[in-house]
Amino acid sequence: KAGVTQTPRYLIKTRGQQVTLSCSPISGHRSVSWYQQTPGQGLQFLFEYFSETQRNKGNFPGRFSGRQFSNSRSEMNVSTLELGDSALYLCASSFGTNAEKLFFGSGTQLSVL
Amino acid sequence: QQPVQSPQAVILREGEDAVINCSSSKALYSVHWYRQKHGEAPVFLMILLKGGEQKGHDKISASFNEKKQQSSLYLTASQLSYSGTYFCGTELGGNKLVFGAGTILRVKS
Repeated sequence: KAGVTQTPRYLIKTRGQQVTLSCSPISGHRSVSWYQQTPGQGLQFLFEYFSETQRNKGNFPGRFSGRQFSNSRSEMNVSTLELGDSALYLCASSFGTNAEKLFFGSGTQLSVL
Repeated sequence: QQPVQSPQAVILREGEDAVINCSSSKALYSVHWYRQKHGEAPVFLMILLKGGEQKGHDKISASFNEKKQQSSLYLTASQLSYSGTYFCGTELGGNKLVFGAGTILRVKS
């Protein structure tokens, strides 16, 4: 059974640009959550999608957005990139939304120059 | 709101035991434990639910004290493979978790 797949693995952007990250959950999983991981702030929740609907949102500015498609694949977008957006972005999938075991992907390492 | 983990780091020799604590200032409904090895994704270890029901890993145990709003992860007879950063997460609804800063565990031979 394939795990959670995130693409791309590494990304380098400059300030002001925008970026789209992709996440394919484990087959059969309908919930996808996104987390930002930085050395200073640790793991921080961005948002959760279930059946194409955003169910939860973290305390991030509106520049961070996401969506989920009918096949449960998810994308997150960050517009007008800032240096502080440099981080590892992790996607996690689960079957449901009731405080479930999360399966994390390997992440996308974003560097903003 | 972020749970507090202690210790921040611990070094063990193979076969030794360790305890990692996770405390919250808010009422806990469940506590989730994950381990992340360097350069890898976090991996699920265990969920502890309010009411005492425990799910997860059978080689690592944990407790959940609702009154103290605290959970402890017990690693006994540690192995080299236990090395990594351990995170506890508390539930804010759905799969929205707020994670502690992590405890770095290093097991030496």
